[in-house]
Amino acid sequence: QEKVQQSPESLIVPEGAMVSLNCSFSDSASQSIWWYQQHPGKGPKALISIFSNGNKKEGRLTVYLNRASLHVSLHIKDSQPSDSAVYLCAALYGNEKITFGAGTKLTIKP
Amino acid sequence: DMKVTQMPRYLIKRMGENVLLECGQDMSHETMYWYRQDPGLGLQLIYISYDVDSNSEGDIPKGYRVSRKKREHFSLILDSAKTNQTSVYFCASSFSRGRNERLFFGHGTKLSVL
Repeated sequence: QEKVQQSPESLIVPEGAMVSLNCSFSDSASQSIWWYQQHPGKGPKALISIFSNGNKKEGRLTVYLNRASLHVSLHIKDSQPSDSAVYLCAALYGNEKITFGAGTKLTIKP
Repeated sequence: DMKVTQMPRYLIKRMGENVLLECGQDMSHETMYWYRQDPGLGLQLIYISYDVDSNSEGDIPKGYRVSRKKREHFSLILDSAKTNQTSVYFCASSFSRGRNERLFFGHGTKLSVL
C-alpha cells in the first residue's frame, strides 16, 4: 500500500501567524496532489491542488510541490480561527487509488 | 446542487447484525468511493465504483461489499458486523477515474458496533 505521510501531527499557532503543513508521498504518485480541510463532524472539503513542480497561490493559500524530493507543503497566510481544522493531503497511486495522509490538526488561538 | 448525501448520520448496531449505509450524489459523477476514518489512521479506501455494476476493491475491502445499481446511488453493506468495524464512514464522488480529481465528500455516517 502506497503511503502519504504528513507532519506535524498537530500544530497550535496564534491568530495571524503563517502556517506551514508538510506532506511526503511515494515516487509512484501520479497526477495532482490535493489538500483537503476537515472540520469536526464534517466531511473533507477540497482546498487546493498542484500538478507541476513549483508553487500555486490561491487567496491566503500557497502550495509548493517538489517531485524530486517527493514533498508538498501547504502554507496559510494570516491564519484565522476559522482555519482551525484537520488538513489532509491526498495522492493518486496507480490509476485509481486516491490515498490520504493521517492529517495535521491545526488550532488557531485567537 | 453539487451534493453528496449520506444516510443515516448515526447508527448503532449489535455485533452480527447487517448494516446498510447509503450514499447519493446529484452531480452525475461516474466514480464513487467508500472510505472509513479512524483516529490516527486517516481515510482508508474500502471500495471504488466506476459506474453502475462496475466496482473495485480498495485497500481494506474485507468484511464489506458494495452495490451500485444507479449512477447516483452507492451502498456499503456490512454482513454480520464486527466491533472492529466501528468507525466513521465517508462516501465521496468524482467526475471521472484515473486522475486525481477533486473528491466531493458526504458528511459521514458514524457507526458503532456493540
